[in-house]
Amino acid sequence: KAGVTQTPRYLIKTRGQQVTLSCSPISGHRSVSWYQQTPGQGLQFLFEYFSETQRNKGNFPGRFSGRQFSNSRSEMNVSTLELGDSALYLCASSGEHGMGETQYFGPGTRLLVL
Amino acid sequence: DAKTTQPPSMDCAEGRAANLPCNHSTISGNEYVYWYRQIHSQGPQYIIHGLKNNETNEMASLIITEDRKSSTLILPHATLRDTAVYYCIVRGSYIPTFGRGTSLIVHP
Repeated sequence: KAGVTQTPRYLIKTRGQQVTLSCSPISGHRSVSWYQQTPGQGLQFLFEYFSETQRNKGNFPGRFSGRQFSNSRSEMNVSTLELGDSALYLCASSGEHGMGETQYFGPGTRLLVL
Repeated sequence: DAKTTQPPSMDCAEGRAANLPCNHSTISGNEYVYWYRQIHSQGPQYIIHGLKNNETNEMASLIITEDRKSSTLILPHATLRDTAVYYCIVRGSYIPTFGRGTSLIVHP
């Protein structure tokens, strides 16, 4: 089975721009979660989508948003980029929504904001 | 979610067992303990998880104490490729919290 894929792998943007990142989960998985990883804050949960509905949200400003499509693919969007948004953005998929469901991570998208 | 405490770094000789501890003293009865590892700049890799019983798979063993307040990940025969940051997390309310993890260095 193919793993979680994320596109693009690397991205450079400037302050004020917006960016859209894409995640394709493992085939058959219906839950997709997004994380931000920075050297200062470590791995932080952004949000989780299941059946096209946001199920959980971390403590991030409204500039961070996401959506999930009927085929379970997910996108996250960051508007009005700030320098502090430079990070590795990770997507993880699991079969279902629940605490016992194992999440499998993709390789990440590395975003640099100049 | 319950918080976890891990030593910031450990080292281990190649071929020896690596025992990585994790404290999760506030864990609730329905929360799972998960272990992941991350090799520099790659996505975290799932290793193993458990609820109450000890677990073993092809990668590692997970020992959970009877009171569930701590656990140990065991890599039975560490190799150089096991050098990574290892995260112990407790999943309960669907919002997983990753701590800083343990940086394991396996040396020849």
